[in-house]
Amino acid sequence: EDQVTQSPEALRLQEGESSSLNCSYTVSGLRGLFWYRQDPGKGPEFLFTLYSAGEEKEKERLKATLTKKESFLHITAPKPEDSATYLCAVQEVRGSQGNLIFGKGTKLSVKP
Amino acid sequence: EAGVVQSPRYKIIEKKQPVAFWCNPISGHNTLYWYRQNLGQGPELLIRYENEEAVDDSQLPKDRFSAERLKGVDSTLKIQPAELGDSAVYLCASSRTSEDEQYFGPGTRLTVT
Repeated sequence: EDQVTQSPEALRLQEGESSSLNCSYTVSGLRGLFWYRQDPGKGPEFLFTLYSAGEEKEKERLKATLTKKESFLHITAPKPEDSATYLCAVQEVRGSQGNLIFGKGTKLSVKP
Repeated sequence: EAGVVQSPRYKIIEKKQPVAFWCNPISGHNTLYWYRQNLGQGPELLIRYENEEAVDDSQLPKDRFSAERLKGVDSTLKIQPAELGDSAVYLCASSRTSEDEQYFGPGTRLTVT
């Protein structure tokens, strides 16, 4: 059973067309939820960490939010340079501390 | 501040051959991770080090994979012998502590023919 599910698998937007990516998770206790961006041929790049329901964080055109069961990554007025795969990962309170459980990612394409 | 350094970036080997990957973490980061990422998937943890101690290697296929982190800094991941199914990107990451965000290197793309 997948613990982290991301949707959609792929998303194509026109430049300036705002949208949201979803990350739903099923863990017994969430210590933190992490968002990463991954460009082709590169390692994941850290974006945000969220720790509690209701928390929000922003960076340029990106805003991440967290509820008790899911997180959203909102992209406002995206530009072509926002094209990448966005990965979500959770860190559990119990079990192996520090270990991240990743979803499969959402591949975002922004066309000019 | 320099990021996580990995080498080589690409490696092509024949099955049954050995291969090794090297990682230099961010200075001051005590925790080091090795992940494997298959095409279209998220990274999956292979092993986690706290300083020089491997504290979680439950997902490491120990019959053919081995790792070490000498002096609690650089780390090496080895596969011997390699199998076709080992083709993937091997990522190294580091963090200040196990509770902090992880920073990833560029990865090594391994192709086993």
